[in-house]
Amino acid sequence: DADVTQTPRNRITKTGKRIMLECSQTKGHDRMYWYRQDPGLGLRLIYYSFDVKDINKGEISDGYSVSRQAQAKFSLSLESAIPNQTALYFCATSDADHTGELFFGEGSRLTVL
Amino acid sequence: KNQVEQSPQSLIILEGKNCTLQCNYTVSPFSNLRWYKQDTGRGPVSLTIMTFSENTKSNGRYTATLDADTKQSSLHITASQLSDSASYICVVSSQTGANNLFFGTGTRLTVIP
Repeated sequence: DADVTQTPRNRITKTGKRIMLECSQTKGHDRMYWYRQDPGLGLRLIYYSFDVKDINKGEISDGYSVSRQAQAKFSLSLESAIPNQTALYFCATSDADHTGELFFGEGSRLTVL
Repeated sequence: KNQVEQSPQSLIILEGKNCTLQCNYTVSPFSNLRWYKQDTGRGPVSLTIMTFSENTKSNGRYTATLDADTKQSSLHITASQLSDSASYICVVSSQTGANNLFFGTGTRLTVIP
């Protein structure tokens, strides 16, 4: 089983719908992140959480919200999806050490029509 | 402003040939630099980490170099294989700030038979 699991892997939805992407991890890491990846733009940080009671906005948080339900679970919500939120979304975890290695899930491809 | 720039954006080489990918950064104060490999449809995976005191580090056919004075890193791939086809992402960590990871946009490498 993967250490960082994302569901769903693929989702097609319509403009205005609410969407939730879920992430769970078995690495025991405190730090969890949500990134989106667009061609030519690379990975951009949406939200991050350093523990269950800590939620922080990243560089592109508008239109998104998150919930850290437990140390192992971090979900990303799009309250009212719009077409420019079509992207590949990655959840990642890291240990609270100085090396900062990120462990990524397999990604969730979201298409908003 | 903390930035990471990678070149080239894309590269096509013949199987068995060598290639070098470049990463220039302006992140300060510098903590470390990682190269990640991202296969198509998968999450990125760390290849190697470079700290301030390290000039060269190898991981099999991958060799990373770091020049902390000029703020440049390279990833050299020797005797390329078809499985090296992927995107390679340079990520630089700063010593300060809660959100201290800065991403390049990646180099897309295609190895052809």
